[in-house]
Amino acid sequence: AQRVTQPEKLLSVFKGAPVELKCNYSYSGSPELFWYVQYSRQRLQLLLRHISRESIKGFTADLNKGETSFHLKKPFAQEEDSAMYYCALRNTDKLIFGTGTRLQVFP
Amino acid sequence: NAGVTQTPKFQVLKTGQSMTLQCAQDMNHEYMSWYRQDPGMGLRLIHYSVGAGITDQGEVPNGYNVSRSTTEDFPLRLLSAAPSQTSVYFCASSYSGRGAYEQYFGPGTRLTVT
Repeated sequence: AQRVTQPEKLLSVFKGAPVELKCNYSYSGSPELFWYVQYSRQRLQLLLRHISRESIKGFTADLNKGETSFHLKKPFAQEEDSAMYYCALRNTDKLIFGTGTRLQVFP
Repeated sequence: NAGVTQTPKFQVLKTGQSMTLQCAQDMNHEYMSWYRQDPGMGLRLIHYSVGAGITDQGEVPNGYNVSRSTTEDFPLRLLSAAPSQTSVYFCASSYSGRGAYEQYFGPGTRLTVT
């Protein structure tokens, strides 16, 4: 079955520390993966997608088919990165979301 | 553009009551969907639509009905509210009729069923 797993509910780091939010997926076929972010009192919005291979707000994510992972990374966390992060997998007409990881960046 | 709008922002219902959550988008998106967000559960797809007149069930459709008579609107109906439907509901839309590329989300409706 298609599934997205985010093993950490909460990740707390200090400003300037590296960040890695984990995402593993289960999918038969060629996956399309996304990271969505929800800042406090704001709408859920797309952060990045694996096919774009881009860096947004300093975040990158590499698709590792061997490990079935799509971890989100940032070398130096900022306080404004504090938010809820969701990994998502496209399954034909649907997006399957993980349970989310709350990132807290302390000053 | 207003993007995706949802009304109401907050609602309290008693068990057994019915109501409709409204969702509208002005981006001419073919694809629209409804999710519920619960702590520890992430976002779960309730129903979705790939175009006017076409709807399909998502992961958790029981207790909810939808219709898509126009491209712009995609209301979600709760026929007989239950406490288990207490949640935050998000509507989303996308350019692709085959769904699930960049989805644009509404601000959400916080529903409490007592």
